Amino acid sequence: DAGVIQSPRHEVTEMGQEVTLRCKPISGHNSLFWYRQTMMRGLELLIYFNNNVPIDDSGMPEDRFSAKMPNASFSTLKIQPSEPRDSAVYFCASSLAVQTYTQYFGPGTRLTVL
Amino acid sequence: KNEVEQSPQNLTAQEGEFITINCSYSVGISALHWLQQHPGGGIVSLFMLSSGKKKHGRLIATINIQEKHSSLHITASHPRDSAVYICAVSIVGGSRLTFGEGTQLTVNP
Repeated sequence: DAGVIQSPRHEVTEMGQEVTLRCKPISGHNSLFWYRQTMMRGLELLIYFNNNVPIDDSGMPEDRFSAKMPNASFSTLKIQPSEPRDSAVYFCASSLAVQTYTQYFGPGTRLTVL
Repeated sequence: KNEVEQSPQNLTAQEGEFITINCSYSVGISALHWLQQHPGGGIVSLFMLSSGKKKHGRLIATINIQEKHSSLHITASHPRDSAVYICAVSIVGGSRLTFGEGTQLTVNP
C-alpha cells in the first residue's frame, strides 16, 4: 500500500484565498484524522471521521475551517477565507478503528498564508 | 498542567549511548503511542501500547499504568535516530489523541 497520501505537499497562498487540502487514507481503514502542527501549539487534532461520518470536530478552530469525507477513500479540509495564522503543517492520518489501533500519518501539507 | 508531559525537552547524546525519554500523563487512557518525527517533518508511529513492554529493533517502550508513566528507550543510539519523539495518549471514553510537546533528540557521531 502507498500509505496515506496528501496533496498538495506545499501550498503558498494569499490571505483571503480559499485553500483545499486533500487526503487519501490507507485502503480498508475506517478512521481518518486531520491534525495541525505549529511551533507554538505542537500537534493538535482538528477533526476525525469514523466510517466517513464526522465524530468530533471540537478541534476545528473556527467556522472558516470545514472538512468533508464524501467516501471511504477521500477527505478534504477547506479553509475559507485563509489567514496568516493558519500557516502550519496539516497532517492527515488513518487507522483501522478509532481508539486502539495505530494511526498512520501522511507526509503533511505545509501551508503558508501570506 | 498539560495532560501529557514529556522529559527531557531536548537531549543530546553520543553515538552508542543508551537513551531514555519519559512520558507522564494525568488521565485514564486506553492506549499510549510513541511517534517519531523526522527532520523532514514526516511522522512515523513507533509503538502503541496499553500495558507492559514492546520491542522493535533497538527501540523499547514500556508503560506502567498504575504510575501513569511510559518510557521510550533507544539502545546503541545512532545519528539517524536524531528526531523528535512524541508521546500521545488515547483518553478513556474519548477517541482523540492528546500529544506531549515532544523530545528533540540529537545523536552526535
